[in-house]
Amino acid sequence: DTGVSQDPRHKITKRGQNVTFRCDPISEHNRLYWYRQTLGQGPEFLTYFQNEAQLEKSRLLSDRFSAERPKGSFSTLEIQRTEQGDSAMYLCASSSTFAGRGEQFFGPGTRLTVL
Amino acid sequence: AQSVTQPDIHITVSEGASLELRCNYSYGATPYLFWYVQSPGQGLQLLLKYFSGDTLVQGIKGFEAEFKRSQSSFNLRKPSVHWSDAAEYFCAVGGTGTASKLTFGTGTRLQVTL
Repeated sequence: DTGVSQDPRHKITKRGQNVTFRCDPISEHNRLYWYRQTLGQGPEFLTYFQNEAQLEKSRLLSDRFSAERPKGSFSTLEIQRTEQGDSAMYLCASSSTFAGRGEQFFGPGTRLTVL
Repeated sequence: AQSVTQPDIHITVSEGASLELRCNYSYGATPYLFWYVQSPGQGLQLLLKYFSGDTLVQGIKGFEAEFKRSQSSFNLRKPSVHWSDAAEYFCAVGGTGTASKLTFGTGTRLQVTL
């Protein structure tokens, strides 16, 4: 069990550029979640997948955001035409509906800075 | 809608002193409750969880929490704080089944003085 990994750990981009983040969940975890955390706040839910199906999206997830989990393993989160307000830590978590009670385990996060 | 309130933004305690971090939640059904800890620039580590049963739950690093349904609270405690406990602590509430997304409080930053 290597834990949840995220890549990159840090991303600096200019306003208007597109960025993509990757999350690799704990192996055999069938649920994967994305959260966003801004400075001084707790994480806020963005979206989650069960296997490859995206089951819920928050209203925080504007049309510029898209997430995929094509084979039910890793997931990507893409932000198009980034804005300065997108600057935040993007956290990924995974859980299993077959073991435990669905506790979510978090990755180290990707810190995005939009200049 | 579910929500979590952590009334203390910042707490300072001396090493060796006891600690209690407050958490109040709002949830329409039986909640799943969690405490996570976050060190600077890092992800979240699960300290402990409550699903059902015994209302006093034990976690890692010597932490415990007590679920009080009548007060809608899930306070985190530790009898003797270590300098390495300095971090940000988040309380979260989630549901069962498909309602499993977590709602977090705004966090309590713990500072430990030597």
